[in-house]
Amino acid sequence: AQKVTQAQTEISVVEKEDVTLDCVYETRDTTYYLFWYKQPPSGELVFLIRRNSFDEQNEISGRYSWNFQKSTSSFNFTITASQVVDSAVYFCALSEPASYGGSQGNLIFGKGTKLSVKP
Amino acid sequence: GAGVSQTPSNKVTEKGKYVELRCDPISGHTALYWYRQSLGQGPEFLIYFQGTGAADDSGLPNDRFFAVRPEGSVSTLKIQRTERGDSAVYLCASSLARWDTQYFGPGTRLTVL
Repeated sequence: AQKVTQAQTEISVVEKEDVTLDCVYETRDTTYYLFWYKQPPSGELVFLIRRNSFDEQNEISGRYSWNFQKSTSSFNFTITASQVVDSAVYFCALSEPASYGGSQGNLIFGKGTKLSVKP
Repeated sequence: GAGVSQTPSNKVTEKGKYVELRCDPISGHTALYWYRQSLGQGPEFLIYFQGTGAADDSGLPNDRFFAVRPEGSVSTLKIQRTERGDSAVYLCASSLARWDTQYFGPGTRLTVL
């Protein structure tokens, strides 16, 4: 069955600390996409990144970085030097374009990790 | 350009009533999705439109839920005989095509009393 697990329900850090949000996924497909979205208190889901299953290169965008490891079915997200504005719920999601009986392109979300960054 | 918009932002209704939630996708996006997010959970897929047709409605919980997209742009999610369990945030997303990145609207918070 297709599934996304975000085991960390809530994380609290102090500003300038680094923090890693974990994401583990399950899929039987060889072709799939992984996403991270941010949901600030305002409620709107903000797209952060999309990776396809054939590209295992880590990605860095400013203070954000992502570590994709197919061997452990993980797609972890690290925020370096966290800031108060990073406080939000972060969702990891999976999409399977060619799946039979799976999502077929629709997003399967984890339950999210609530990150609180304190000044 | 303009993002996905949803109206109303909040809707309070009584059990048994009918409600309509509207989604206006990003211009040029052919794919449109509805998701439902309950408190403390991730969004869950409801229905997907490609153009005017509902290509996948496997996520609709029962036949009280229905959605249309008559001209391939704006979509309306319709809920009949609302129940308290329908209370949630209803999210709409659009993408250029089915496998592309989905961009979400601000959602409609539905409260059924």
